[in-house]
Amino acid sequence: GENVEQHPSTLSVQEGDSAVIKCTYSDSASNYFPWYKQELGKRPQLIIDIRSNVGEKKDQRIAVTLNKTAKHFSLHITETQPEDSAVYFCAASNGDSNYQLIWGAGTKLIIKP
Amino acid sequence: EPEVTQTPSHQVTQMGQEVILRCVPISNHLYFYWYRQILGQKVEFLVSFYNNEISEKSEIFDDQFSVERPDGSNFTLKIRSTKLEDSAMYFCASSEYQVGPGSFGPGTRLTVT
Repeated sequence: GENVEQHPSTLSVQEGDSAVIKCTYSDSASNYFPWYKQELGKRPQLIIDIRSNVGEKKDQRIAVTLNKTAKHFSLHITETQPEDSAVYFCAASNGDSNYQLIWGAGTKLIIKP
Repeated sequence: EPEVTQTPSHQVTQMGQEVILRCVPISNHLYFYWYRQILGQKVEFLVSFYNNEISEKSEIFDDQFSVERPDGSNFTLKIRSTKLEDSAMYFCASSEYQVGPGSFGPGTRLTVT
């Protein structure tokens, strides 16, 4: 089955700088890659997603890139702000499943003022 | 903006007891999910539900678990004979399209003593 690795586990950046979180997956059949943001004690929120037929997607300060050959995808946050502080999870569909997502272990992003 | 709701927010039960966790998905969504998150760990897929039947389930979702959509609005997760290791935050989620969970509920924290 699919396995998703996420790095780093903790990332501390200065406010205004960029943050990059990376994930790798194992199943070449995976075709859907969402990213979720979870603030302390709250529900995960879908912030951006990408399908395997697209290499890059951007939404304001957030972008996701996908390298199918290398089986890795990344989340890029530019001009970070204090409210970006949270745990970010990547996920990948379990093979070509349309229902089951395999999640990464999460990255705690800390924005230093 | 409509949100997924869950009740109760916190459930404490004794080992061996049965619990029912309740969810009200967003009204026009067709796909429903249950996930769990043990404190500080990754989110784990339990089951997906579409057209009044289970579409996929993980290895975690054994005979101890069942789901039901008893009416047009509620979606429930039943855990029979709870174990200590069932203690976790249980998230319900729903989506309009078949692309994975777009909207999560606030979660039910289950504590098994």
